[in-house]
Amino acid sequence: EDQVTQSPEALRLQEGESSSLNCSYTVSGLRGLFWYRQDPGKGPEFLFTLYSAGEEKEKERLKATLTKKESFLHITAPKPEDSATYLCAVQGNQGGKLIFGQGTELSVKP
Amino acid sequence: EAQVTQNPRYLITVTGKKLTVTCSQNMNHEYMSWYRQDPGLGLRQIYYSMNVEVTDKGDVPEGYKVSRKEKRNFPLILESPSPNQTSLYFCASSLVGGSYGYTFGSGTRLTVV
Repeated sequence: EDQVTQSPEALRLQEGESSSLNCSYTVSGLRGLFWYRQDPGKGPEFLFTLYSAGEEKEKERLKATLTKKESFLHITAPKPEDSATYLCAVQGNQGGKLIFGQGTELSVKP
Repeated sequence: EAQVTQNPRYLITVTGKKLTVTCSQNMNHEYMSWYRQDPGLGLRQIYYSMNVEVTDKGDVPEGYKVSRKEKRNFPLILESPSPNQTSLYFCASSLVGGSYGYTFGSGTRLTVV
Protein backbone atom coordinates (compact mmCIF):
# COMPACT_ATOMS: atom_id res chain seq x y z
CA GLU A 1 0.00 0.00 0.00
CA ASP A 2 1.29 3.46 -0.94
CA GLN A 3 2.19 5.47 2.15
CA VAL A 4 3.77 8.81 3.07
CA THR A 5 5.09 9.70 6.53
CA GLN A 6 6.37 13.16 7.41
CA SER A 7 8.50 14.13 10.37
CA PRO A 8 8.58 15.97 12.60
CA GLU A 9 4.90 16.83 13.03
CA ALA A 10 5.86 20.30 14.24
CA LEU A 11 9.09 22.26 14.16
CA ARG A 12 9.92 25.52 15.88
CA LEU A 13 12.94 27.47 14.65
CA GLN A 14 14.52 30.79 15.38
CA GLU A 15 14.95 33.09 12.42
CA GLY A 16 18.15 32.11 10.62
CA GLU A 17 18.28 28.60 12.14
CA SER A 18 18.52 26.14 9.24
CA SER A 19 16.85 22.72 9.43
CA SER A 20 15.34 19.90 7.38
CA LEU A 21 11.93 18.28 7.06
CA ASN A 22 11.65 14.59 6.22
CA CYS A 23 9.23 12.72 3.97
CA SER A 24 9.49 8.92 3.93
CA TYR A 25 7.50 7.07 1.33
CA THR A 26 6.59 3.66 -0.02
CA VAL A 27 4.97 3.58 -3.43
CA SER A 28 4.57 1.20 -6.34
CA GLY A 29 6.56 2.82 -9.12
CA LEU A 30 7.22 6.44 -8.20
CA ARG A 31 6.00 8.81 -10.89
CA GLY A 32 6.54 11.95 -8.86
CA LEU A 33 7.09 13.33 -5.36
CA PHE A 34 5.61 16.73 -4.62
CA TRP A 35 6.19 19.35 -1.95
CA TYR A 36 3.53 21.91 -1.09
CA ARG A 37 3.22 24.77 1.34
CA GLN A 38 -0.12 25.40 3.05
CA ASP A 39 -1.08 28.50 5.01
CA PRO A 40 -3.98 28.29 7.50
CA GLY A 41 -7.38 28.23 5.78
CA LYS A 42 -5.87 28.20 2.29
CA GLY A 43 -5.26 25.65 -0.41
CA PRO A 44 -1.83 24.02 -0.78
CA GLU A 45 0.64 25.93 -2.92
CA PHE A 46 2.95 23.98 -5.20
CA LEU A 47 6.68 24.13 -4.47
CA PHE A 48 8.53 21.26 -6.21
CA THR A 49 8.20 18.04 -8.17
CA LEU A 50 10.97 15.43 -7.96
CA TYR A 51 11.02 12.40 -10.22
CA SER A 52 14.07 10.28 -9.55
CA ALA A 53 16.62 9.53 -6.84
CA GLY A 54 19.43 12.04 -6.76
CA GLU A 55 17.33 14.88 -8.10
CA GLU A 56 17.47 18.24 -6.31
CA LYS A 57 15.47 21.45 -6.77
CA GLU A 58 15.83 24.86 -5.17
CA LYS A 59 13.64 27.88 -4.68
CA GLU A 60 14.80 30.80 -2.57
CA ARG A 61 15.58 29.39 0.91
CA LEU A 62 14.15 25.95 0.12
CA LYS A 63 15.91 22.94 -1.36
CA ALA A 64 14.28 19.57 -1.96
CA THR A 65 16.19 16.33 -2.42
CA LEU A 66 15.09 12.80 -3.22
CA THR A 67 16.37 9.30 -2.50
CA LYS A 68 14.71 5.96 -3.20
CA LYS A 69 13.00 5.97 0.19
CA GLU A 70 12.73 9.56 1.33
CA SER A 71 12.79 13.22 0.47
CA PHE A 72 14.13 16.14 2.46
CA LEU A 73 13.07 19.75 2.38
CA HIS A 74 16.01 21.82 3.58
CA ILE A 75 15.28 25.32 4.82
CA THR A 76 18.28 27.63 4.93
CA ALA A 77 18.23 30.72 7.16
CA PRO A 78 14.43 30.72 7.50
CA LYS A 79 12.39 33.86 8.01
CA PRO A 80 9.08 34.26 9.88
CA GLU A 81 7.23 34.34 6.54
CA ASP A 82 8.35 30.74 5.96
CA SER A 83 5.99 29.69 8.77
CA ALA A 84 3.41 27.31 7.29
CA THR A 85 2.55 23.63 7.03
CA TYR A 86 4.68 21.78 4.49
CA LEU A 87 3.07 18.82 2.76
CA CYS A 88 4.68 15.97 0.87
CA ALA A 89 2.76 13.83 -1.63
CA VAL A 90 3.59 10.94 -3.96
CA GLN A 91 2.09 9.71 -7.17
CA GLY A 92 2.66 6.07 -8.05
CA ASN A 93 2.00 3.97 -11.09
CA GLN A 94 -1.74 4.15 -10.49
CA GLY A 95 -1.65 7.44 -12.35
CA GLY A 96 -4.12 9.85 -10.85
CA LYS A 97 -3.92 8.78 -7.22
CA LEU A 98 -2.00 11.25 -5.07
CA ILE A 99 -1.11 10.26 -1.49
CA PHE A 100 -0.32 13.03 1.00
CA GLY A 101 1.59 12.91 4.26
CA GLN A 102 0.11 14.61 7.29
CA GLY A 103 2.46 17.56 7.02
CA THR A 104 5.04 19.35 9.13
CA GLU A 105 3.92 22.55 10.81
CA LEU A 106 6.83 24.97 10.75
CA SER A 107 7.00 28.01 12.99
CA VAL A 108 9.83 30.52 12.61
CA LYS A 109 10.20 33.06 15.39
CA PRO A 110 11.97 36.40 14.90
CA GLU B 1 -5.40 34.72 -13.91
CA ALA B 2 -4.84 30.96 -13.89
CA GLN B 3 -6.89 29.50 -11.09
CA VAL B 4 -9.16 26.84 -9.68
CA THR B 5 -12.44 28.26 -8.42
CA GLN B 6 -14.58 26.48 -5.86
CA ASN B 7 -18.03 27.50 -4.70
CA PRO B 8 -19.29 28.00 -2.13
CA ARG B 9 -16.46 28.85 0.30
CA TYR B 10 -18.60 28.04 3.31
CA LEU B 11 -21.71 25.87 3.58
CA ILE B 12 -23.82 24.73 6.50
CA THR B 13 -26.46 22.16 5.67
CA VAL B 14 -28.65 19.54 7.31
CA THR B 15 -28.31 15.78 7.19
CA GLY B 16 -29.78 14.26 4.05
CA LYS B 17 -30.15 17.42 1.98
CA LYS B 18 -28.43 16.93 -1.36
CA LEU B 19 -25.73 19.45 -2.21
CA THR B 20 -23.20 20.19 -4.94
CA VAL B 21 -19.84 21.90 -4.58
CA THR B 22 -18.65 23.31 -7.88
CA CYS B 23 -15.09 23.38 -9.17
CA SER B 24 -13.90 25.11 -12.32
CA GLN B 25 -10.43 25.64 -13.79
CA ASN B 26 -9.32 27.96 -16.59
CA MET B 27 -5.95 26.34 -17.42
CA ASN B 28 -7.15 23.64 -19.84
CA HIS B 29 -5.91 20.97 -17.45
CA GLU B 30 -6.77 17.35 -18.18
CA TYR B 31 -6.54 16.18 -14.57
CA MET B 32 -8.88 17.24 -11.77
CA SER B 33 -9.33 15.87 -8.28
CA TRP B 34 -11.20 16.35 -5.01
CA TYR B 35 -9.72 16.08 -1.52
CA ARG B 36 -10.97 16.41 2.01
CA GLN B 37 -8.79 17.65 4.84
CA ASP B 38 -9.44 16.71 8.44
CA PRO B 39 -7.35 17.40 11.57
CA GLY B 40 -4.98 14.51 12.24
CA LEU B 41 -5.85 12.78 8.96
CA GLY B 42 -4.34 15.18 6.45
CA LEU B 43 -5.46 15.47 2.84
CA ARG B 44 -7.28 12.44 1.48
CA GLN B 45 -8.29 11.96 -2.12
CA ILE B 46 -12.00 11.44 -2.81
CA TYR B 47 -12.22 11.14 -6.60
CA TYR B 48 -10.10 12.11 -9.55
CA SER B 49 -10.56 12.51 -13.29
CA MET B 50 -7.87 12.06 -15.92
CA ASN B 51 -10.00 13.65 -18.64
CA VAL B 52 -13.58 14.28 -19.79
CA GLU B 53 -15.89 11.37 -18.97
CA VAL B 54 -13.06 9.54 -17.13
CA THR B 55 -13.36 9.40 -13.34
CA ASP B 56 -11.95 7.07 -10.69
CA LYS B 57 -12.15 6.55 -6.96
CA GLY B 58 -9.56 7.87 -4.56
CA ASP B 59 -9.11 6.66 -1.01
CA VAL B 60 -12.38 7.90 0.53
CA PRO B 61 -15.11 7.88 -2.16
CA GLU B 62 -18.00 6.61 -0.04
CA GLY B 63 -20.90 9.08 0.11
CA TYR B 64 -19.66 11.19 -2.80
CA LYS B 65 -20.32 11.38 -6.53
CA VAL B 66 -18.56 13.28 -9.29
CA SER B 67 -19.00 13.93 -12.99
CA ARG B 68 -16.74 15.31 -15.70
CA LYS B 69 -18.88 16.36 -18.65
CA GLU B 70 -16.67 19.30 -19.60
CA LYS B 71 -12.92 19.71 -19.28
CA ARG B 72 -13.11 22.78 -17.08
CA ASN B 73 -15.70 21.61 -14.52
CA PHE B 74 -15.62 18.85 -11.91
CA PRO B 75 -18.50 19.13 -9.41
CA LEU B 76 -18.60 17.16 -6.16
CA ILE B 77 -22.05 15.85 -5.24
CA LEU B 78 -23.19 14.71 -1.81
CA GLU B 79 -26.50 12.93 -2.38
CA SER B 80 -27.33 12.48 1.30
CA PRO B 81 -24.80 14.33 3.48
CA SER B 82 -24.04 13.06 6.96
CA PRO B 83 -22.23 14.75 9.87
CA ASN B 84 -19.07 12.69 9.22
CA GLN B 85 -18.74 14.54 5.92
CA THR B 86 -18.13 17.79 7.79
CA SER B 87 -14.71 18.78 6.52
CA LEU B 88 -12.61 21.19 4.47
CA TYR B 89 -12.76 20.26 0.80
CA PHE B 90 -10.25 21.14 -1.91
CA CYS B 91 -10.40 20.79 -5.66
CA ALA B 92 -7.17 20.60 -7.67
CA SER B 93 -6.15 20.44 -11.31
CA SER B 94 -3.00 19.81 -13.32
CA LEU B 95 -1.66 18.82 -16.67
CA VAL B 96 -1.54 15.03 -16.72
CA GLY B 97 1.57 13.91 -14.85
CA GLY B 98 1.68 16.93 -12.56
CA SER B 99 5.06 18.12 -13.80
CA TYR B 100 4.12 21.72 -13.13
CA GLY B 101 2.36 20.88 -9.92
CA TYR B 102 -1.25 20.64 -8.96
CA THR B 103 -3.13 23.93 -8.58
CA PHE B 104 -5.53 23.90 -5.65
CA GLY B 105 -8.67 25.92 -5.08
CA SER B 106 -9.24 28.00 -1.96
CA GLY B 107 -11.34 25.37 -0.26
CA THR B 108 -14.94 24.80 0.79
CA ARG B 109 -15.67 24.45 4.48
CA LEU B 110 -18.70 22.21 4.82
CA THR B 111 -20.63 21.64 8.04
CA VAL B 112 -23.39 19.02 8.14
CA VAL B 113 -25.66 19.22 11.19
